[in-house]
Amino acid sequence: GDSVTQMEGPVTLSEEAFLTINCTYTATGYPSLFWYVQYPGEGLQLLLKATKADDKGSNKGFEATYRKETTSFHLEKGSVQVSDSAVYFCALSEGSGGGADGLTFGKGTHLIIQP
Amino acid sequence: DVKVTQSSRYLVKRTGEKVFLECVQDMDHENMFWYRQDPGLGLRLIYFSYDVKMKEKGDIPEGYSVSREKKERFSLILESASTNQTSMYLCASSLLQGGQETQYFGPGTRLLVL
Repeated sequence: GDSVTQMEGPVTLSEEAFLTINCTYTATGYPSLFWYVQYPGEGLQLLLKATKADDKGSNKGFEATYRKETTSFHLEKGSVQVSDSAVYFCALSEGSGGGADGLTFGKGTHLIIQP
Repeated sequence: DVKVTQSSRYLVKRTGEKVFLECVQDMDHENMFWYRQDPGLGLRLIYFSYDVKMKEKGDIPEGYSVSREKKERFSLILESASTNQTSMYLCASSLLQGGQETQYFGPGTRLLVL
């Protein structure tokens, strides 16, 4: 079945550092890929997505590129802020073109940014 | 903006009680989902629904049931709550556009079963 693997952390960085959170996936077809962010005490918010190979999703300074050859969707940001402290989830969906199937999530990466 | 609301942010119930978790979305989305979130396990899909009165089992449906009588509302039911159902429950809704689906989440309900 489908699966998503990501570093669990916590990942602790200083403000303005470069961020990479690795995400790799296993899927039978051609999934859509997502990054969601969960701030303390809140639900998940969609951060960015990519629907096909070589697509780059971007939002709020975060980027991730859909790499089919390495089955990866690593999240990057050039200069993190304290307000980026949250839990980040990588996820995939094989429901494209058809009905809803639900998302398969990684276990989440807890990111802590220190001033 | 898409808005997904859940009836309670925090809930405390006793073992054996029947528990209802309600979710409402205001964007006329066809698809709705229930997940549970546990430390070290991430999010796991319990049930989903792609239309009124339709439901499909997710990865961990045991001990749960659902109801979708109206398009905007999707209820998760714990017939007889147990302590291992203590968790954060997240509802989501989605719409297929151009063959692609994006899910939007509610704020979550943190359930404690004593």
